[in-house]
Amino acid sequence: GEDVEQSLFLSVREGDSSVINCTYTDSSSTYLYWYKQEPGAGLQLLTYIFSNMDMKQDQRLTVLLNKKDKHLSLRIADTQTGDSAIYFCAERSKAGTALIFGKGTTLSVSS
Amino acid sequence: ETGVTQTPRHLVMGMTNKKSLKCEQHLGHNAMYWYKQSAKKPLELMFVYNFKEQTENNSVPSRFSPECPNSSHLFLHLHTLQPEDSALYLCASSPTGENEAFFGQGTRLTVV
Repeated sequence: GEDVEQSLFLSVREGDSSVINCTYTDSSSTYLYWYKQEPGAGLQLLTYIFSNMDMKQDQRLTVLLNKKDKHLSLRIADTQTGDSAIYFCAERSKAGTALIFGKGTTLSVSS
Repeated sequence: ETGVTQTPRHLVMGMTNKKSLKCEQHLGHNAMYWYKQSAKKPLELMFVYNFKEQTENNSVPSRFSPECPNSSHLFLHLHTLQPEDSALYLCASSPTGENEAFFGQGTRLTVV
């Protein structure tokens, strides 16, 4: 079945880089997404990558995609306390009609 | 602000009550979704609507009843819920079913 796996927690110090990893199951996914959820809020789209790309950079965010291993990662450079949140990886469902999410990785940034 | 508005933000209801959650978007999107977010579980897709037609129902119990009267509005009618239905209910929309989704702030539901 469809499954998106992420590690549940990551703790870093302010100024360090954070790397959040994700594995997915559907090799036919055309887009893969990263969302951020702050406490008490809905999910906010951070970035996405098209499946024919290996890397996408957007300011402090770098997304790496390894299609062979079905592995997606999100790197946040110079992590700030405001980056503390839950980060969700998502792929499109086999039916193609909705996004399937992982359990989310809670990023904790200490000063 | 994503342009997707959910009301109410918080709701406490008894197991014998009937209530409704509302979601509204004026982004011109044609696909709308209900997700359930419980502690320690992945976001669960509940229902998908495309052009006002329900296209997916992910084995959701009948005590949850969705309604999509037009492309801008989506409701989730609740009746005889159980305490384990307490969760954050998130609405999302996308231009079509193939694009990224934009989420509302969610309704925090507590069933007592």
